[in-house]
Amino acid sequence: DVKVTQSSTYLVKRTGEKVFLECVQDMDHENMFWYRQDPGLGLRLIYFSYDVKMKEKGDIPEGYSVSREKKERFSLILESASTNQTSMYLCASSEGSSYNSPLHFGNGTRLTVT
Amino acid sequence: QKEVEQNSGPLSVPEGAIASLNCTYSDRGSQSFFWYRQYSGKSPELIMFIYSNGDKEDGRFTAQLNKASQYVSLLIRDSQPSDSATYLCAGGYNNNDMRFGAGTRLTVKP
Repeated sequence: DVKVTQSSTYLVKRTGEKVFLECVQDMDHENMFWYRQDPGLGLRLIYFSYDVKMKEKGDIPEGYSVSREKKERFSLILESASTNQTSMYLCASSEGSSYNSPLHFGNGTRLTVT
Repeated sequence: QKEVEQNSGPLSVPEGAIASLNCTYSDRGSQSFFWYRQYSGKSPELIMFIYSNGDKEDGRFTAQLNKASQYVSLLIRDSQPSDSATYLCAGGYNNNDMRFGAGTRLTVKP
């Protein structure tokens, strides 16, 4: 079974802090994704990566950056956390083309910014 | 623009009935469509995916895709209380990204 591991389940940070959310997958998948999930808004794509050091912006990249130095690890960085970034963050991975490759999700990180 | 729209519901059906969940998409570049189920407090899990026009059946679940109308649906036959969850429709694109609708909350009443 594919395992996608997010480093934290719950995280509380202060406004203005730099925040790192880490995600590791163990199945050599090419693609990795970061979504945030808010009530009534579904999953919104922040960034995704289709290869090491490659990244593509999703729908809501503002205030976020990402890093993929190794194939198995994809980090989401909040440069200066704000209260409107309080949310559930979900990391996912998939192999090959999204044409027929479903996403495998981590358990999520619930981030609160105070 | 890559948009996937779902009727956000909530949808309530009695046990044993057919639940019908619908999704439309705006980008004809969408290659395939995925249905995920998400229980409260859990991560989404794949139910099934479809990329050809027509129907695809898997047990009690049937996905339907109509590319001309840009419409995707999921039918759940013989609905059970354990099917109560939020159902997410997602579109996969040829650049490997995947976009989700807002989800439809389904409640199956015993």
